[in-house]
Amino acid sequence: QVQLVQSGAEVKKPGASVKVSCKASGYTFTSYGISWVRQAPGQGLEWMGWISAYNGNTNYAQKLQGRVTMTTDTSTSTAYMELRSLRSDDTAVYYCARDDRESSSWLDYWGQGTLVTVSS
Amino acid sequence: EIVMTQSPATLSVSPGERATLSCRASQSVSSNLAWYQQKPGQAPRLLIYGASTRATGIPARFSGSGSGTEFTLTISSLQSEDFAVYYCQQYNNWPPDTFGQGTKVEIK
Repeated sequence: QVQLVQSGAEVKKPGASVKVSCKASGYTFTSYGISWVRQAPGQGLEWMGWISAYNGNTNYAQKLQGRVTMTTDTSTSTAYMELRSLRSDDTAVYYCARDDRESSSWLDYWGQGTLVTVSS
Repeated sequence: EIVMTQSPATLSVSPGERATLSCRASQSVSSNLAWYQQKPGQAPRLLIYGASTRATGIPARFSGSGSGTEFTLTISSLQSEDFAVYYCQQYNNWPPDTFGQGTKVEIK
């Protein structure tokens, strides 16, 4: 069965960086992409960006350009999302989700979420 | 950026009744729209993609319709497990994908 298992909760200080991992299993990793979506406490869903596990192409939300990097390691079927220069409003649950390999599409399987707390 | 607007913000429905949720796009997204269900403390779950295709394992009481800028998610007979927040997402004009702000379906 398809599973996406994310790394554990993080607490970071403002200005620091965080790197969240998302390990995929149950399907051919390079046949799909991964999108990252975040959800601030009590708020809705915010799309952060997409990476193709097939060819490494990426597209990021404009508001995060320059602060976010998404990568994949096909040898371990793991996707990573790094967010730098953290601010208090980056506090959120971060989700990875399986996506199309050519472009962003519907998200059919989701990770369990990783809570990132940014606090001094 | 396409803005997705969901209505109502909260829908109070009795178990067994029909629920109709709306999602409007600020410009046409063709049929490139998905619906998700999210329960407290859980990740979202895909219900509908392509505006009207049910995802694997989704009960037939969930149905989606619409195209262009107006979309509807209908739950024909609400079960206790259906009380949750529902989000629409457009993936036609990206980046970025955009989500609606959500509709909370609560017990009346």
